Amino acid sequence: SQQGEEDPQALSIQEGENATMNCSYKTSINNLQWYRQNSGRGLVHLILIRSNEREKHSGRLRVTLDTSKKSSSLLITASRAADTASYFCATTNYGGSQGNLIFGKGTKLSVKP
Amino acid sequence: DAGVIQSPRHEVTEMGQEVTLRCKPISGHDYLFWYRQTMMRGLELLIYFNNNVPIDDSGMPEDRFSAKMPNASFSTLKIQPSEPRDSAVYFCASSFLLGTAGAEAFFGQGTRLTVV
Repeated sequence: SQQGEEDPQALSIQEGENATMNCSYKTSINNLQWYRQNSGRGLVHLILIRSNEREKHSGRLRVTLDTSKKSSSLLITASRAADTASYFCATTNYGGSQGNLIFGKGTKLSVKP
Repeated sequence: DAGVIQSPRHEVTEMGQEVTLRCKPISGHDYLFWYRQTMMRGLELLIYFNNNVPIDDSGMPEDRFSAKMPNASFSTLKIQPSEPRDSAVYFCASSFLLGTAGAEAFFGQGTRLTVV
């Protein structure tokens, strides 16, 4: 079953612009992660934010987490054509089934040169 | 480490045949996940193991699907008999989970299964 839901489903921007993707989830979580998937490849981890954190940065990536709204956002600044990929959020909930990792359906980002 | 290794990369089989997908996790990782990805349903968690023990198989769609992890370095996902609707990309991922801190999952390149 899906836990996270990304929004928008697809995003097309010009190189140099910022890209913002959102993720909403349903149950309480211990942490939230963002992954990237290039066409035909496996997923690659980008960043993890814990439930007691509100914001985290990694290079051109900025992630925010609002546990009261059960939502997160991923911002990619100064986008490049190489950022074209699908981006997924994933949540981990240790309350019931310890260690599960549930993904949303993803946002397909297209960065045009 | 070479990362998570899945085999085969591509599999085409006829309906009714048995299919076995294989996964070698990263050495030292204690969690192993099997996912299925389709356009319609996205990335679905099928089953995951902790220390070779299946923890949650509620995502396994039917009894035709079974998964095993006989040791820390090998896991299989078997479909018997296969059906055209099983066509998808199947991913294996492994992780070393540090309590509630969480940890990233490392994915294999996937097995693209086509059932005709």
